[in-house]
Amino acid sequence: RKEVEQDPGPFNVPEGATVAFNCTYSNSASQSFFWYRQDCRKEPKLLMSVYSSGNEDGRFTAQLNRASQYISLLIRDSKLSDSATYLCVVNMKSWGKLQFGAGTQVVVTP
Amino acid sequence: EAGVTQFPSHSVIEKGQTVTLRCDPISGHDNLYWYRRVMGKEIKFLLHFVKESKQDESGMPNNRFLAERTGGTYSTLKVQPAELEDSGVYFCASSHPGQGLYEQYFGPGTRLTVT
Repeated sequence: RKEVEQDPGPFNVPEGATVAFNCTYSNSASQSFFWYRQDCRKEPKLLMSVYSSGNEDGRFTAQLNRASQYISLLIRDSKLSDSATYLCVVNMKSWGKLQFGAGTQVVVTP
Repeated sequence: EAGVTQFPSHSVIEKGQTVTLRCDPISGHDNLYWYRRVMGKEIKFLLHFVKESKQDESGMPNNRFLAERTGGTYSTLKVQPAELEDSGVYFCASSHPGQGLYEQYFGPGTRLTVT
């Protein structure tokens, strides 16, 4: 079983719509959680850290459910520029090695 | 503020040759990480430096890989001799203790092709 699992998608989303997707992690002792975004043939860019209480950054909302061991990302009012692969990333500690999911592809269409 | 930089951006070498990748972290970042993405797989951790010391090298695939970070600044990752399965994108990331989580910032990667 993979440490971090994501639905690969693609999620095809009309511009302006809302899209949400989850990832699950296997190690209940994981302590820190992130969403990264990766464009084709580029490096992962930090989108947001995920805090226990959930957090919002503009059109992006992240939630953490420790009991069920999943993290979610919701994108409101999707823009064409949101098309990318979204990587769910987990860390056993607050620092040190990151464990990556394989990514969820989002395609926003006009 | 300059981000993480990596050199070269691409490298094509033959099986059995040696390649050295370089990473310059964000200035002042004590933590430096190497990761790798091979075709069709997720990004995997290779190792972690804190300043010049190896904190965790549990992800290094075998002894053909050697990482150094002299003086706690830039780092090099040498593959010798390279094998076909070493092909992939090698990312470097850095982080620094601050408020909240130790968020890691990635460089653009080195795309290594072993033929």
